[in-house]
Amino acid sequence: QKEVEQDPGPLSVPEGAIVSLNCTYSNSAFQYFMWYRQYSRKGPELLMYTYSSGNKEDGRFTAQVDKSSKYISLFIRDSQPSDSATYLCAMKDSGNTPLVFGKGTRLSVIA
Amino acid sequence: DAGITQSPRHKVTETGTPVTLRCHQTENHRYMYWYRQDPGHGLRLIHYSYGVKDTDKGEVSDGYSVSRSKTEDFLLTLESATSSQTSVYFCAIRGTGTDMNTEAFFGQGTRLTVV
Repeated sequence: QKEVEQDPGPLSVPEGAIVSLNCTYSNSAFQYFMWYRQYSRKGPELLMYTYSSGNKEDGRFTAQVDKSSKYISLFIRDSQPSDSATYLCAMKDSGNTPLVFGKGTRLSVIA
Repeated sequence: DAGITQSPRHKVTETGTPVTLRCHQTENHRYMYWYRQDPGHGLRLIHYSYGVKDTDKGEVSDGYSVSRSKTEDFLLTLESATSSQTSVYFCAIRGTGTDMNTEAFFGQGTRLTVV
């Protein structure tokens, strides 16, 4: 079983929809949880960063972490065509260990 | 792009030849990382560095070596390129402040084709 599981999609939604992206993980030691957005032929860019459990909101984006279920989510409200990208979850157990990435979910927002 | 430059951006090379990719940063960050990204596999860590001359292996280090003689430069070398090393390679650096526990900044990538 891979440490981090992420549905690759593709996921296609109409403009204005609420998007839910998810990852599950098996390592209960993970404490730091991130979401990256990657446009085609570009490097990943950090979107959201959460430590431990709870919610974090930034504009139209909300990240949720449920450590008891080993499940993290990224919600995008009022989705826009410019949100079309691949979204990667990533996590780590302590400050000095490298990140473990999910395989990414490809999202298309249709105008 | 937070002062990260990867070179070259594209390269085609023949099987069996050595190849060196360069990552240059202007942020004076201690931690630097090399990843490869392949369809169906996502981002996989090759090697990382936590200081000058301090490096460690990642998940897919076989066939790769790295060097870090200066804070700003992290080199990835394929000693004898194989077709399985055809991939997109990304360099990353760790962030500071609230991003200090994550690889916050990625380069634009190097697209390597081994024929």
